[in-house]
Amino acid sequence: QKEVEQDPGPLSVPEGAIVSLNCTYSNSAFQYFMWYRQYSRKGPELLMYTYSSGNKEDGRFTAQVDKSSKYISLFIRDSQPSDSATYLCAMSSVTGGGNKLTFGTGTQLKVEL
Amino acid sequence: EPEVTQTPSHQVTQMGQEVILRCVPISNHLYFYWYRQILGQKVEFLVSFYNNEISEKSEIFDDQFSVERPDGSNFTLKIRSTKLEDSAMYFCATAGLGSYNEQFFGPGTRLTVL
Repeated sequence: QKEVEQDPGPLSVPEGAIVSLNCTYSNSAFQYFMWYRQYSRKGPELLMYTYSSGNKEDGRFTAQVDKSSKYISLFIRDSQPSDSATYLCAMSSVTGGGNKLTFGTGTQLKVEL
Repeated sequence: EPEVTQTPSHQVTQMGQEVILRCVPISNHLYFYWYRQILGQKVEFLVSFYNNEISEKSEIFDDQFSVERPDGSNFTLKIRSTKLEDSAMYFCATAGLGSYNEQFFGPGTRLTVL
């Protein structure tokens, strides 16, 4: 079983739709959960950062973590064509320096006009 | 907004040659990382660096790889003798004190080994 699993997509939605992106994981030591957005041939851009379980909202983005199910989600409201990108979930477990991130494979999202 | 920068953006080299990839971290960030992404695959951790020493490294980061902060600002990744399978995007990431999980990535260096 992979440490972090993410449906690669592609996911195609109409403009204005609510998008739901998800990851599951197997390592119960993960405590920190991140979502990154990556445009083609660019570096990952940090969107959301969450510690442990719960919800976090930032503008049109909401991140949810359910540690009991080992499941995290990113919701995008009122999706825009500019949201078209690959979304990567990432996780880490160590609380000290040197925290490596373990990434999912990424979900490719296309928001169509 | 402060950002991580990387040079060069694209490096082409012959197999067996040495390459040095450079990163300028966000000012006052203390944690430094290198990741790589082979085309079509996931981002993979290579090494973390804090307080002038390696904190953790992956099994990918073998004796052919090294990192250093030669002048207190730049952070470099050296590959001593490149192989075809080293062809990938290499990303530098940095994090601030107390925020070591909020890692900010640079734009990457695309390394092509021929």
